Amino acid sequence: EVQLVESGGGLVQPGGSLRLSCEASGFTFSSSWMSWVRQAPGKGLEWVAHINSGGSEEYYVDSVKGRFTISRDHTKNSLYLQMNSLRVEDTAVYYCARFGVRAGWSDWGQGSLVTVSS
Amino acid sequence: QSALTQPASVSGSPGQSITISCTGTSSDVGGYNYVSWYQQHPGKAPKLMIYEVTNRPSGVPDRFSASKSGNTASLTISGLQAEDEADYYCSSYTSSRTYVFGTGTKVTVL
Repeated sequence: EVQLVESGGGLVQPGGSLRLSCEASGFTFSSSWMSWVRQAPGKGLEWVAHINSGGSEEYYVDSVKGRFTISRDHTKNSLYLQMNSLRVEDTAVYYCARFGVRAGWSDWGQGSLVTVSS
Repeated sequence: QSALTQPASVSGSPGQSITISCTGTSSDVGGYNYVSWYQQHPGKAPKLMIYEVTNRPSGVPDRFSASKSGNTASLTISGLQAEDEADYYCSSYTSSRTYVFGTGTKVTVL
C-alpha cells in the first residue's frame, strides 16, 4: 500500500522559514517523480513544485520561485520542501504527492497545514 | 499561469448524468494530452479519477468518463450517486513545463 506522510507544518511569522517532510513507502521512491500541491483554506488546488526521480530537475510555480526548494533523499525515502521568506498568502494545506508527467498525481498524503501569520 | 476555468457548481439527481467543463488555452489543455481530473471530498486529500485525458486508474468506476475538444476538457459522471458529491478539479501540463489546476467545481447530488 502506498503511503505518504507529511510533517513539519505549523505556525510561522511572515518572512520566516519552514521545512516540510514527506516520508514515502509502498512503492519504489527512487523511480518516482514527486510533487507538492497546496490548497489555501476554502480555495482550490495549486501545483507548487515537482522533482524528477533522480533529483536533477526541479520545477516551480512562479509565485514560489526563489523562495521554495524541493529536494529528495533516497536513503530516507523522503521528499522535502524548504520554504523561505514565507508570506501570508502561502498559508495552505501542503500535500505531498507521487507524480507522473502522463499519470498526474496518483497518490497523495494527508496534508500538512502551514499558517503564516503574525 | 492562470487557473483553468471550470463552472463553480453543477448539480443533478441520482441516476442522471452531469458534465463538468475545463477550459484552457492552446498552451495547456489544447496543446497536450496531459489532462487529469481529481475528486476531493471535504477534509480529504484529492483522488485521481482520470489521467491522459481519458484514462481511468484501476478502481475508479466506469461511470466516470472524460474527453477533450480543442481547448476544453470535460468530465462526465453517468448514473450519478450520492457518494459522487464532492469537489472536482482538472489539471493540465503547460508549455512552460509547469502544471495548472482548474478553479474547481462543486458537484451536488439533489
